[in-house]
Amino acid sequence: SQQGEEDPQALSIQEGENATMNCSYKTSINNLQWYRQNSGRGLVHLILIRSNEREKHSGRLRVTLDTSKKSSSLLITASRAADTASYFCATDQTGANNLFFGTGTRLTVIP
Amino acid sequence: DGGITQSPKYLFRKEGQNVTLSCEQNLNHDAMYWYRQDPGQGLRLIYYSQIVNDFQKGDIAEGYSVSREKKESFPLTVTSAQKNPTAFYLCASSGTADQPQHFGDGTRLSIL
Repeated sequence: SQQGEEDPQALSIQEGENATMNCSYKTSINNLQWYRQNSGRGLVHLILIRSNEREKHSGRLRVTLDTSKKSSSLLITASRAADTASYFCATDQTGANNLFFGTGTRLTVIP
Repeated sequence: DGGITQSPKYLFRKEGQNVTLSCEQNLNHDAMYWYRQDPGQGLRLIYYSQIVNDFQKGDIAEGYSVSREKKESFPLTVTSAQKNPTAFYLCASSGTADQPQHFGDGTRLSIL
């Protein structure tokens, strides 16, 4: 499969704690993207990191990319109950014309 | 407001029936996509289109058909050949294939 794999599948934390999700993939990429999905809704793009970048920040989000290990991580700092959602990584693979989505991490932030 | 509109939100299909899911975007995007999402799963690509009057099969195209007669519209037909159509269907668009995708709010299809 060309899909990525997120780890863990589910994560439950207290409000204010940090949440870390990991994504592994198998082929060379142009960029890697993270998306968020609230229950029963469409996905919302969060952040894009290019293959020549190692780290990127956006507000409370920090994304790292290690192309040698074919892995990425998404860190959400100072989590809030409103961060409760599923988070997906998606890879723009070299030579492809579409994104390949991972299986997702379901994050629950307990107030 | 610019965005993607999917309709209907809920759809029921009878045995042997074809149903069509609508997807319209006013973002002036060239590329459009259809995904299927099963409970607790990731997204699987059904069809995608990079330009008007052209489209390509994704990983799970069997039992589905699409058309791209207008830039703004990319309807998906779930045919009677699709034996397990119950799922959440998501439409997306992007300026180019390597840019972030914008998603609609999905259509949930069930079997009567």
